[in-house]
Amino acid sequence: DIQMTQSPSTLSASVGDRVTITCRASQSISTWLAWYQQKPGKAPKLLIYKASSLETGVPSRFSGSGSGTEFTLTIYGLQPDDFATYYCQQYNNSPWTFGQGTKVEIK
Amino acid sequence: QVQLHQWGAGLLRPSETLSLTCDVYGGSFSGYYWSWIRQPPGKGLEWIGEINHSGSTNYNPSLGSRVTMSVDTSKKQFSLKLSSVTAADTAVYYCARLAAAEANIDCWGQGILVTVSS
Repeated sequence: DIQMTQSPSTLSASVGDRVTITCRASQSISTWLAWYQQKPGKAPKLLIYKASSLETGVPSRFSGSGSGTEFTLTIYGLQPDDFATYYCQQYNNSPWTFGQGTKVEIK
Repeated sequence: QVQLHQWGAGLLRPSETLSLTCDVYGGSFSGYYWSWIRQPPGKGLEWIGEINHSGSTNYNPSLGSRVTMSVDTSKKQFSLKLSSVTAADTAVYYCARLAAAEANIDCWGQGILVTVSS
């Protein structure tokens, strides 16, 4: 299985900050990577697919980049609604696997 | 606008079989893969498997032969059975849709907590 490792596990930030989350794959996954946002008690929500494509309806302050084994999710100008847990997911090789999550907390 | 609604028993005893069903409202049923994902309390996400409208399946090997998925296209439903459950299977179970031609997940059900306890 492809292992996905996110860093950091927890991130403290303030409204307006630029936030960057990293996801590393144990082997190359090209650009077959998605990012999700999850709030407590809710299902995850797709933000980014194919590493850098913004899902319809997702604010443009979310941006994804990377290829191969290293990927980043950047939030430009953190908003109060963005405090949540973020997961990456690879879908290059089955079984599809997720990172362990990064919790973005209020500083 | 597709919506997914899942239902099934929320409390099981060890060794019983978990059984969940997901209804698909709106949108096309054919042409997509339909998936189950679970999340133990306070932990991360685990993909369980997927099925398409013709019944073609792909399961996570970590669950071995305990997983069975089925589909009823006439009702726009798909189902999950997980046999011989233990406490380690306690989780929120989500049904979901995989995006067309890719395996990212573009639509999720509301989730259902399944607790395994004696």
